[in-house]
Amino acid sequence: EAQVTQNPRYLITVTGKKLTVTCSQNMNHEYMSWYRQDPGLGLRQIYYSMNVEVTDKGDVPEGYKVSRKEKRNFPLILESPSPNQTSLYFCASTLRGNSNYGYTFGSGTRLTVV
Amino acid sequence: DQQVKQNSPSLSVQEGRISILNCDYTNSMFDYFLWYKKYPAEGPTFLISISSIKDKNEDGRFTVFLNKSAKHLSLHIVPSQPGDSAVYFCATDGYQKVTFGTGTKLQVIP
Repeated sequence: EAQVTQNPRYLITVTGKKLTVTCSQNMNHEYMSWYRQDPGLGLRQIYYSMNVEVTDKGDVPEGYKVSRKEKRNFPLILESPSPNQTSLYFCASTLRGNSNYGYTFGSGTRLTVV
Repeated sequence: DQQVKQNSPSLSVQEGRISILNCDYTNSMFDYFLWYKKYPAEGPTFLISISSIKDKNEDGRFTVFLNKSAKHLSLHIVPSQPGDSAVYFCATDGYQKVTFGTGTKLQVIP
């Protein structure tokens, strides 16, 4: 089944403790992206990757890192999480950017930083 | 600078009637416009798209209209069904960047 898999689905952590949210897609998509969803703000792009070893900042990259060493994986790293990073996170992929293909989204990771 | 705006946070429609969801954008350089549907506890699902060179695209009960002069996008759902109750996001896809609106919560009343 074609899908984007995120782990974990739920995570509660403490301020400053490094964490990684994994994302993997099995569709050989070039383009992958991370979004956070907050009430009243919709989906805001954190980082995106157009292909292996090619990443760039989205609208809200502060406090986050990403890497794209393989085509299928695009982990999101929070080096020192803070409470304002409490949010619902989505990973998404598409065959290529600037197209009408549409994203395939993961099921989301609800992160709480206390 | 919010480039994509959905000014109606919610909408209620009777089953069988038409649902019209609206979206305004500011940047004329977008090449593609897309609509996504999101149920609680799930990721958004791609619904329908339209190229900037077209003004209408239809897929079953869903039709998207693009008015470039007004920088306005709308999604029509006819007839509306209770299973259509969800949050709908419009999005624009320009080179390297996809921008989402804030979403409209649609409730279809049986």
